[in-house]
Amino acid sequence: TQLLEQSPQFLSIQEGENLTVYCNSSSVFSSLQWYRQEPGEGPVLLVTVVTGGEVKKLKRLTFQFGDARKDSSLHITAAQPGDTGLYLCAGEETSGSRLTFGEGTQLTVNP
Amino acid sequence: DAGVTQSPTHLIKTRGQHVTLRCSPISGHKSVSWYQQVLGQGPQFIFQYYEKEERGRGNFPDRFSARQFPNYSSELNVNALLLGDSALYLCASSLGTGVYGYTFGSGTRLTVV
Repeated sequence: TQLLEQSPQFLSIQEGENLTVYCNSSSVFSSLQWYRQEPGEGPVLLVTVVTGGEVKKLKRLTFQFGDARKDSSLHITAAQPGDTGLYLCAGEETSGSRLTFGEGTQLTVNP
Repeated sequence: DAGVTQSPTHLIKTRGQHVTLRCSPISGHKSVSWYQQVLGQGPQFIFQYYEKEERGRGNFPDRFSARQFPNYSSELNVNALLLGDSALYLCASSLGTGVYGYTFGSGTRLTVV
């Protein structure tokens, strides 16, 4: 069974601060996906990274896939209260049949 | 264009009962997956169906079953409900593999009492 360890589990910061969320595994994934989930809603896809070493930017969010395709990070610059939510990383198995999710990082950005 | 729709949105059942949850994927998406999300945890994979065939099954007991219909909609069935089955059940659709990413519905909140 492939596992994804996500850290930190909880993060409370002030508006304008920077933060990084980490997602680590001992297994190789064909792709790594990051989602954001609001209360009472399903996860919403932010980005998919496929190639080892790949870096993708989405406005103030920067996503990186490790060279060995086992780990990933999400960096947010100048966080805003609208960034508050549950951030989930998910690895897709090479068979393409399932996503393995991390436990999630609950981010709170205080004004 | 409609997203992934799930019904019902909320459901309360008694231990031992049976429940059927429904999912309609995005038009053109042939893959449907089901996930269980317990409060405070990430979603756990239950099933994936592609072109009406089961492509993957997670570590869930045989009380859990699913099927996909010719129009690609799907049902998740859970028999002999236990208190521990209380969770948010999420359906996700995709074009094929996850390289395209998955689109999740808002889920069905199941409470077993």
